[in-house]
Parts: sequence; structure tokens; C-alpha cells
Amino acid sequence: DTAVSQTPKYLVTQMGNDKSIKCEQNLGHDTMYWYKQDSKKFLKIMFSYNNKELIINETVPNRFSPKSPDKAHLNLHINSLELGDSAVYFCASSQGIQGSSPLHFGNGTRLTVT
Amino acid sequence: GESVGLHLPTLSVQEGDNSIINCAYSNSASDYFIWYKQESGKGPQFIIDIRSNMDKRQGQRVTVLLNKTVKHLSLQIAATQPGDSAVYFCAERGIGFQKLVFGTGTRLLVSP
Repeated sequence: DTAVSQTPKYLVTQMGNDKSIKCEQNLGHDTMYWYKQDSKKFLKIMFSYNNKELIINETVPNRFSPKSPDKAHLNLHINSLELGDSAVYFCASSQGIQGSSPLHFGNGTRLTVT
Repeated sequence: GESVGLHLPTLSVQEGDNSIINCAYSNSASDYFIWYKQESGKGPQFIIDIRSNMDKRQGQRVTVLLNKTVKHLSLQIAATQPGDSAVYFCAERGIGFQKLVFGTGTRLLVSP
């Protein structure tokens, strides 16, 4: 009965590689997000999609490309990985554009770039 | 083991005590606030929310207080239990903005 699930949970890769993280939610929500949590536990939004349309795109390098095939899925593809990309990436979903409902988070993907 | 986050502000309490976690938010125009709990290896979990037209809201063992005058939010946890040990985040949403902005987090340590 997992609400927001992301895979993989751990991802270890070398600099320069390309990798993807997948996210799915079964809550029927229409908005999905990617957040990045750094080593100091600071959470910062990267992207937000509402009904498969991009509505928030923070100042994220264009090596990061989100894709939403349908409103239940939001994947994150990262090209040419760099050491500074190492972090925990969280997918989340909500009903509406953060209007009146809280975000529901997945359990994160810990990305380590060596 | 996890070494990140060790330099977070930390609140240490004894089991059974009441805990108060504070948060100063940045945007006087924010109209929606949420408290999240994050346990090790997990994603943030929703605890309670409050809108700017309220100054207090209660849940089960938790109370959120909002003081808009000084842009301050607090989370009170009654009869704190070891299972409450986690990192707690406040988050705010500004009017007309479509994103939640998270605070830096506070680690709560509950001793039995």
C-alpha cells in the first residue's frame, strides 16, 4: 500500500555517467515534485509537475531532466553526473498545486557519485 | 551509519516530557505552514498543518502555534516518546507561490 514509491533506494555511480530515478504515486494526486536533500539535511525543491505539465523549475542544471509520462509517474534523469550531485533525492505528490494540501514524500534515493 | 545532519540544532528531552520545537519563517506573506517529521532513512512525514488565518491547531499529541507578528511557528509534542526521535522540519508557502520552502530542521532526541 505504498503511497509514493521511488526506485532505486541507493544509487552509486561514477562521474560522467547518466542515471535515472523513477517515482510512482498511487494516491490519485495530480501534482508531483522532486526535492533534493543535501548533507546538511536541507530540502530544496527542484521540479514540480501538475497533470504532466512542468510548473516549477528551480535553478537546476539542465543535466537534470524530469519526465512525467502520466500524472502518477515522475522520473528524473541526470546526465553527466558530478560529485556535487551526491545527495538524497525525494519524490513527493500532492493534490492541487500545493494550494491546501500537504506533500506526501517517498523514502528517497541516495545518490553517491564517485 | 548516517553521519549527515549531526550539526543540526538538537533538542534533547526525557521520555514523558513535553517538547517544543521552534521555527522562524522568512516570508511575511506565507499563508500555509506544515510540520514534517523525518526518521533516519525515510522521507519527511506529514504531522500537522496550519493556515495563516489561525494561530493554533491541535492534533493527536501535537499542537502547532503560529505567531505571524514575529513570523514564528512552533510544534509542541506532549508526552514525548522515544519513537518521536527524528528530524523535524517546518515548511511555508507564500501567497501566489506554488512551492513549499523548508526550514533547516531540528533534531529531537528522546531518552528513555
